Amino acid sequence: GDSVTQMEGPVTLSEEAFLTINCTYTATGYPSLFWYVQYPGEGLQLLLKATKADDKGSNKGFEATYRKETTSFHLEKGSVQVSDSAVYFCALIHDNNDMRFGAGTRLTVKP
Amino acid sequence: ETGVTQSPTHLIKTRGQQVTLRCSSQSGHNTVSWYQQALGQGPQFIFQYYREEENGRGNFPPRFSGLQFPNYSSELNVNALELDDSALYLCASSFDQATAKNIQYFGAGTRLSVL
Repeated sequence: GDSVTQMEGPVTLSEEAFLTINCTYTATGYPSLFWYVQYPGEGLQLLLKATKADDKGSNKGFEATYRKETTSFHLEKGSVQVSDSAVYFCALIHDNNDMRFGAGTRLTVKP
Repeated sequence: ETGVTQSPTHLIKTRGQQVTLRCSSQSGHNTVSWYQQALGQGPQFIFQYYREEENGRGNFPPRFSGLQFPNYSSELNVNALELDDSALYLCASSFDQATAKNIQYFGAGTRLSVL
C-alpha cells in the first residue's frame, strides 16, 4: 500500500540556517502530496501541497517540489527562525480519502 | 468562522472500558475524518464520515466505531480499550470528501491514556 518515509529527527539548527527535510513516497498512480506542521499542543496545520508532478508548493518561506522521477517531496527553507520549531509531517492522499502520513520530523531552531 | 474543536482534551481510562471522543467540525464542513497518532508517530487514518455515512475506513478493528450527526459533528467510540489504544486522537474536517482540493483542518486532539 501507499506509504511515506521521512528523514529521522530530531533536527537542530541555528537561526538563519538552511533547512531540508527529506520525504519520499511509495504509491500507485499520482497521489497529491502535503506538508503539515504541528506546534506543541496544537493540531496539524497545512503548510503546503502539490497535486501533480513538477508542482512546487510554497508558503511562509517553505518550499517543496513534487518529483515523480525520484518519488520525493523534500521540504526546504532558506533561513529558519526560532518560531519554525515544530514537528513536520509529509503526507499523501489519493481520492480514497485515506491520507498517509510519515512519522514526522522534529525541528528545533536555536537563537 | 470557528475551527475544529475536540473534547475532552485529556482522558484516562482502564483496560476493557469504553470511551467516546467528540469533534465539532469547522463551519460549513460536512466531512469528518478521525486519526490515531501514537507517540512519536504520524497520524493513522481510522475512518471518515461524509453526510452522516461512513465513507472509508483504515486498518482498525470494529471496536472503533463512529457517528456523524445532522450538524456534522462527530463521535469516535472505542470499546474494550487496550493499552495500545493510548494515543492522541485527531479529528479533521473538510468541505466534502478529503482530497487534494478539499483541505482537511485539524483539531488539537484528545490525548487518551489507557492504564
